Amino acid sequence: AQSVTQPDIHITVSEGASLELRCNYSYGATPYLFWYVQSPGQGLQLLLKYFSGDTLVQGIKGFEAEFKRSQSSFNLRKPSVHWSDAAEYFCAVVDSSYKLIFGSGTRLLVRP
Amino acid sequence: DAEITQSPRHKITETGRQVTLACHQTWNHNNMFWYRQDLGHGLRLIHYSYGVQDTNKGEVSDGYSVSRSNTEDLPLTLESAASSQTSVYFCASSQGGDRTGELFFGEGSRLTVL
Repeated sequence: AQSVTQPDIHITVSEGASLELRCNYSYGATPYLFWYVQSPGQGLQLLLKYFSGDTLVQGIKGFEAEFKRSQSSFNLRKPSVHWSDAAEYFCAVVDSSYKLIFGSGTRLLVRP
Repeated sequence: DAEITQSPRHKITETGRQVTLACHQTWNHNNMFWYRQDLGHGLRLIHYSYGVQDTNKGEVSDGYSVSRSNTEDLPLTLESAASSQTSVYFCASSQGGDRTGELFFGEGSRLTVL
């Protein structure tokens, strides 16, 4: 069965520092991969997606992610974090029935 | 602007009562989903629908039901609420096709079962 693992429950970075959130997936074929962000008290918002083609994908709010098939990873990165990036981030994969399967999330804390 | 709305946003109920959470979308999306969010579990799929009269069970469907009588609405019913169903519930919709996986979420309904 398809699954997504986000190994870091919490990550704390200083404002202005770079960020990398890890995501590993389990899927036999070429996966459809996504990153979503959830601000406190809100629903989830799509940051970026990977379907095929260029393995480095750009998203909103200055985020990017790189698909690495050999490592079954789809890590999210941002070169310089802003205090407003503090939120929970979810990696997700579309399964064989076209449903979205989410990881357990990584909560990002930003130090001033 | 198109949107997806959930109601109520907050509800407290007692064990054994029937509860219905409403979800209404104006995107004209065929696909609609209900997830629950619990600490440490991320979002888990309860039920989903790919069109009118179509409903399917997700990974945590026990104790929940849905019906899809039109494109816009997918109400979630808890037949007999249990304390284990205390959670935040999110409704989402998507266009499908080459937009598969691009979900638009409501703001959530926080349910407390006492």
